[in-house]
Amino acid sequence: AQTVTQSQPEMSVQEAETVTLSCTYDTSESDYYLFWYKQPPSRQMILVIRQEAYKQQNATENRFSVNFQKAAKSFSLKISDSQLGDAAMYFCAYRGGGADGLTFGKGTHLIIQP
Amino acid sequence: DAGITQSPRHKVTETGTPVTLRCHQTENHRYMYWYRQDPGHGLRLIHYSYGVKDTDKGEVSDGYSVSRSKTEDFLLTLESATSSQTSVYFCAISLLGTTYNEQFFGPGTRLTVL
Repeated sequence: AQTVTQSQPEMSVQEAETVTLSCTYDTSESDYYLFWYKQPPSRQMILVIRQEAYKQQNATENRFSVNFQKAAKSFSLKISDSQLGDAAMYFCAYRGGGADGLTFGKGTHLIIQP
Repeated sequence: DAGITQSPRHKVTETGTPVTLRCHQTENHRYMYWYRQDPGHGLRLIHYSYGVKDTDKGEVSDGYSVSRSKTEDFLLTLESATSSQTSVYFCAISLLGTTYNEQFFGPGTRLTVL
């Protein structure tokens, strides 16, 4: 079974600074997809960014980017110019080929210091 | 928000009583999912459906059943609720036909079993 590990239960960053959240995963599949979700206090799960394993290029969405290291099975999220609204739980998630359910990490609580 | 609603949004019940949670979507998505979220565990897949009357088990399916008699509704039933089923329950849909088959989530249902 696939596993997703987020080794940082909590991270803190100053507003306007850059922060990187770590995620590693374990799989024997060659075709898979990786996602980062944000969960603010409202509890809503919000898709932040996604990456396909076959794509070499790291995904970028505005201030959010990933560092995807396939051989190391690492998928970290970088948030640039941190804003107060970025404060939330962040979950890394894995999905194999097809439309199977997601396997989630346990999450990282991101605190933004004003 | 992918047109997903969940009802009820909050429920308190007693051990041994049956409980049904409803997920409703308005955009005719074929795949639907139920997850539970507990502190320290992230989200875990309970059951999923790949069409009307087509369902399959996820990682934590014991104690739960599901039904899907219409495309738009996916029901999660706890036949006899236990305190260990106190959790936040999320429904999700998958955007099939896109590169990533992204999953989008409903607002969640907080269930407390006393």
